Amino acid sequence: DTEVTQTPKHLVMGMTNKKSLKCEQHMGHRAMYWYKQKAKKPPELMFVYSYEKLSINESVPSRFSPECPNSSLLNLHLHALQPEDSALYLCASSQYTLGSVEQYFGPGTRLTVT
Amino acid sequence: GENVEQHPSTLSVQEGDSAVIKCTYSDSASNYFPWYKQELGKRPQLIIDIRSNVGEKKDQRIAVTLNKTAKHFSLHITETQPEDSAVYFCAASRGPGTASKLTFGTGTRLQVTL
Repeated sequence: DTEVTQTPKHLVMGMTNKKSLKCEQHMGHRAMYWYKQKAKKPPELMFVYSYEKLSINESVPSRFSPECPNSSLLNLHLHALQPEDSALYLCASSQYTLGSVEQYFGPGTRLTVT
Repeated sequence: GENVEQHPSTLSVQEGDSAVIKCTYSDSASNYFPWYKQELGKRPQLIIDIRSNVGEKKDQRIAVTLNKTAKHFSLHITETQPEDSAVYFCAASRGPGTASKLTFGTGTRLQVTL
């Protein structure tokens, strides 16, 4: 299996809702990432997990809460979001070994905050 | 931190012509340079990458060149086809050895016309 999967594909939520995004990979990769992408912009790194531990938090507001339950799964818990948080949320993974840093992206979750 | 500049922002070529996209980076410690293709509504897809110990890499119609002294790298697409139309992002990182943090360029929208 050489693919990163994400659910749901689309999500519409109100500013008072709590929702979660899910990402899964079965490539044995040990690093997983959350990115946010606004229209016509490059992906913007939010969080990095290495060996299931949070290693990078790019000063993301606390209304975004990541979780890595195991080496194959990555969640992003959402609470009290703002309309400006509407974007495509991409998950990616990479092998955590010397000489191999290719990041493979999932198809993304398109989030709309109303 | 790393800063990656990408030019041009849009590029229109006729089918069969070549396309060149250029990127410059600021961090001399960067040693991994991937290129991603993103079609409308789809995930960024890794199409080619180059590491700092190599000056050029080719894969069929796609090639990437790297000049570490000048801190720039370029994507070359020959014999362009309509399916090459997409947004292309260059990126740079300090990998491997740590969870790779990619810094993306601002993207180039390539349109291949018939």
